[in-house]
Amino acid sequence: EPEVTQTPSHQVTQMGQEVILRCVPISNHLYFYWYRQILGQKVEFLVSFYNNEISEKSEIFDDQFSVERPDGSNFTLKIRSTKLEDSAMYFCASVKDTEAFFGQGTRLTVV
Amino acid sequence: GDSVTQMEGPVTLSEEAFLTINCTYTATGYPSLFWYVQYPGEGLQLLLKATKADDKGSNKGFEATYRKETTSFHLEKGSVQVSDSAVYFCALSDLLTGGGNKLTFGTGTQLKVEL
Repeated sequence: EPEVTQTPSHQVTQMGQEVILRCVPISNHLYFYWYRQILGQKVEFLVSFYNNEISEKSEIFDDQFSVERPDGSNFTLKIRSTKLEDSAMYFCASVKDTEAFFGQGTRLTVV
Repeated sequence: GDSVTQMEGPVTLSEEAFLTINCTYTATGYPSLFWYVQYPGEGLQLLLKATKADDKGSNKGFEATYRKETTSFHLEKGSVQVSDSAVYFCALSDLLTGGGNKLTFGTGTQLKVEL
């Protein structure tokens, strides 16, 4: 069964450093999303991506964040200068019809 | 805006007990409703869904009915097992208000099932 794959599973980075979280969505899906879950809190929408551009973004998704799909398969989330409060589990999802398929997540720890 | 409210956890039950996790929503359009499950150390998995009023979603013994009149989508299972221990998230996707397939999640309810 096709699945969404995220790498790395866990990343530790120093505050102020750039990180890139990677996702390989399901190949015939067209809509892609990033969500995050701060420990003990709800899953929050960050950004949606369709037809090689951002279709919607939340207030959380400020200028420190960017997404791209550089090669038609990988879907990346970049955080330019990480802050302590960026520590969270980041989930990628690809969507077909009304069903979202989530990756296993990347746990980002900013120290 | 759209929102989802779930009952607070953790919920602790004995094996074979009946489970109900309450979920209510507010949405301006005609949302689809979902339950996602997150097992320890894993990502989110779709458990069941319902796309219109009075639909019942079901999977692995879990059921939830889309009740438009009470704006609810309560999750139920007749007899829980230890392996059901996980965090359960209620979510909605409101297509007609321009939300696309963006999911709005509740806070999650942790379920612990003991022998």
